[in-house]
Amino acid sequence: DAGVTQSPTHLIKTRGQQVTLRCSPKSGHDTVSWYQQALGQGPQFIFQYYEEEERQRGNFPDRFSGHQFPNYSSELNVNALLLGDSALYLCASSLMYEQYFGPGTRLTVT
Amino acid sequence: AQKVTQAQTEISVVEKEDVTLDCVYETRDTTYYLFWYKQPPSGELVFLIRRNSFDEQNEISGRYSWNFQKSTSSFNFTITASQVVDSAVYFCALSDKDDKIIFGKGTRLHILP
Repeated sequence: DAGVTQSPTHLIKTRGQQVTLRCSPKSGHDTVSWYQQALGQGPQFIFQYYEEEERQRGNFPDRFSGHQFPNYSSELNVNALLLGDSALYLCASSLMYEQYFGPGTRLTVT
Repeated sequence: AQKVTQAQTEISVVEKEDVTLDCVYETRDTTYYLFWYKQPPSGELVFLIRRNSFDEQNEISGRYSWNFQKSTSSFNFTITASQVVDSAVYFCALSDKDDKIIFGKGTRLHILP
């Protein structure tokens, strides 16, 4: 049984560009949450998707958007990248409060 | 507002010593969940434990133990007979019924050989 998978593993982008990160949840999980972890900090909640809708959102600007597909996989999109968006982006899938995290995508904005 | 405080930024102990990582939380919810995660240098968050707010029993899993005290809003984590492989960043976290997890800033644990 595959756990949560994320792609790509690493990504380098330039300021002002747009990026899309992908997440496939653990089998049977219907909820996907995204977190941003800046260097030396704890992960911060970005948003959560359930039944293809954004169910709740953390304190992140509209440049951060997402999508959930019928197969429960999800994408995180970030527009107009800033240097401060450089971080490890973690996806977590859950079913009834048991959250499992993927390995993350490390985004570097130059 | 929900908040998790891990006052210890960094701890270093010699192998085989016991070490306790402190965690204090704030929430107005009566139903909530507390977690501990381990993050090795590879970056992946490894789930260690989840406790719900109605279960104050302490738990032991091998060399790991957790002390949950609602009276002091604390959920401390102890590693007994530490090993070099325990070196990592440890996060205490809190979630409510909405399933959003609030993390502390983490404690970086160094186990010295």
